[in-house]
Amino acid sequence: SYVLTQPPSVSVAPGQTATITCGGNNIGIRSVHWYQQRPGQAPALVVYDDSDRPSGIPERVSGSNSGNTATLTISRVEAGDEADYYCQVWDSSSENWVFGGGTQLTVL
Amino acid sequence: EVQLVESGGGLVQPGGSLRLSCDASGFTFNRFWMNWVRQAPGKGLEWVASINQDGGENYYVDSVKGRFTISRDNAKKSLYLQMNSLRAEDTAVYYCAREFVDTSVITYFDSWGQGTLVTVSS
Repeated sequence: SYVLTQPPSVSVAPGQTATITCGGNNIGIRSVHWYQQRPGQAPALVVYDDSDRPSGIPERVSGSNSGNTATLTISRVEAGDEADYYCQVWDSSSENWVFGGGTQLTVL
Repeated sequence: EVQLVESGGGLVQPGGSLRLSCDASGFTFNRFWMNWVRQAPGKGLEWVASINQDGGENYYVDSVKGRFTISRDNAKKSLYLQMNSLRAEDTAVYYCAREFVDTSVITYFDSWGQGTLVTVSS
């Protein structure tokens, strides 16, 4: 089955840029979605189809996808961005939705 | 406003059964695929099952095939997950999630409930 690999943790100072990667075999040909999960809360969509943002998500949150890596970038990081972030794709060969293992973003 | 409210979680012994429900409001329920996603304590998200709009098509993660059954009642605007032969490793918060169809090939989970905790333990 298809595997998505994320770094367990990323740390960044306020005002800096956080980069969270999601690795997968030829992931660039797939549509990647990203979810934010704050402590004690349900997940929430922050980026869909590689780089589109749902309404209400600020422009400083962006996504890209090419080759074997999809990337979620959060610019001008704020304390409120501290959360776990998960990437997701649909794997048609197994007919399964697949999530990455998640990345804990810590704002120093 | 889209709302998804799960219920039915609780403590169950290994080998036991439980039925989860997800009550939907604020949208036309019968137009959407629906999903169950779980999260074991301190762990990441794991997709469990999906069901199409009329309940005639469904998919499961391998670890629950033959034990769990996803279903829906469009008249009641409710999604269900019947869980049998429960194991300790099924212990998790179970979320229901709406699958939004952006195009014919791009879909994603745009709304989530708050989850219900299932604990499998003797």
